[in-house]
Amino acid sequence: AQKVTQAQTEISVVEKEDVTLDCVYETRDTTYYLFWYKQPPSGELVFLIRRNSFDEQNEISGRYSWNFQKSTSSFNFTITASQVVDSAVYFCALSERSSNTGKLIFGQGTTLQVKP
Amino acid sequence: DAMVIQNPRYQVTQFGKPVTLSCSQTLNHNVMYWYQQKSSQAPKLLFHYYDKDFNNEADTPDNFQSRRPNTSFCFLDIRSPGLGDAAMYLCATSRAGGLTGELFFGEGSRLTVL
Repeated sequence: AQKVTQAQTEISVVEKEDVTLDCVYETRDTTYYLFWYKQPPSGELVFLIRRNSFDEQNEISGRYSWNFQKSTSSFNFTITASQVVDSAVYFCALSERSSNTGKLIFGQGTTLQVKP
Repeated sequence: DAMVIQNPRYQVTQFGKPVTLSCSQTLNHNVMYWYQQKSSQAPKLLFHYYDKDFNNEADTPDNFQSRRPNTSFCFLDIRSPGLGDAAMYLCATSRAGGLTGELFFGEGSRLTVL
């Protein structure tokens, strides 16, 4: 069965600290896609990154970086030098090719609070 | 400019009084989704349209219906809202069925049931 687990419910850091959000997934498919979304207080889910199962290369985008490791079924997200504007709920999600619906399976989310 | 627009942003209804939420998109995407997100929970897919084909999730209650009159618009109808239906309802679109593309989400419609 497919599942996404974000074990950290809430994280609080002080501005400029680095923070890593963990994501562990389960799937039987060999082809799948992993996503991270940000949900600020306004409610909209903002796309951050997509990774396919055949691309384990880590990615860096500004202060954001992602570490994908198939061996541990993890897709962790690191924010370097966090800022108050990073405060939001972050969701990790999985989409399986076999589902043929594009259905996103979300983790429970991690609430990040960055204090000034 | 917003690409997925949901109306209303906030909806208050009474127990059992039907409510309709709307979603419009300017992306010309062929897939539109409705998700339900209860407080402090992950979004849960209710159903989606692939063009005109309606796909219901197995555990979506019959109380929830949807209409898609054209590519740009999709509606969520809640026939008899209960207290447990209070949630944020998120509309999303994608071009490639979400398998290779990304989902674009609207800002959501927050439903309160009195």
